[in-house]
Amino acid sequence: DTAVSQTPKYLVTQMGNDKSIKCEQNLGHDTMYWYKQDSKKFLKIMFSYNNKELIINETVPNRFSPKSPDKAHLNLHINSLELGDSAVYFCASSQGKTGGNNEQFFGPGTRLTVL
Amino acid sequence: AQSVTQLGSHVSVSEGALVLLRCNYSSSVPPYLFWYVQYPNQGLQLLLKYTSAATLVKGINGFEAEFKKSETSFHLTKPSAHMSDAAEYFCAVSDMRRDDKIIFGKGTRLHILP
Repeated sequence: DTAVSQTPKYLVTQMGNDKSIKCEQNLGHDTMYWYKQDSKKFLKIMFSYNNKELIINETVPNRFSPKSPDKAHLNLHINSLELGDSAVYFCASSQGKTGGNNEQFFGPGTRLTVL
Repeated sequence: AQSVTQLGSHVSVSEGALVLLRCNYSSSVPPYLFWYVQYPNQGLQLLLKYTSAATLVKGINGFEAEFKKSETSFHLTKPSAHMSDAAEYFCAVSDMRRDDKIIFGKGTRLHILP
């Protein structure tokens, strides 16, 4: 069974479109995250949610809006896609609150390409 | 603010040779330190973590890392490299006193030469 799953795995779209990426974890964790990994492999946190409550909201454009319908799901909606949004987006989850010494479990990633 | 610096974006070692991946951290408070590995086209997975219990930390797949406060380092080692170790390795730090985010380094790509 996949612990942290993301859909879709690949997403190719035109500039200006709106798209969503879905994430689900079956580990019973309290906290979920979205990370962006750029072409140079640099990994940066975007958001984290703890029991459906937004905890971390980095300096991410308003075009990005996370939604957590329940603690097992954290979706990412992106409006008006731009070329610079092309990246691999990773969902992750952990027990307890954000950061600290808790191991984060990562999904397989969604490769977003904006044309 | 906390940060990590990984020396060398690419490291190549021969199969069977010692693996040494360098990580230096900057933190004004006691840190938690982590090494994560990312295999091609996969998400990250935890190799090991330092939480102040012991300075020498053993992880999965034969890797270990030593926390050296005086050198602000947390280098990752493995005595004998396998071809399957080829991957991207990330050092990361978080604040021990807060439930805060983890800051990742820029990663080191490990190449294993036959």
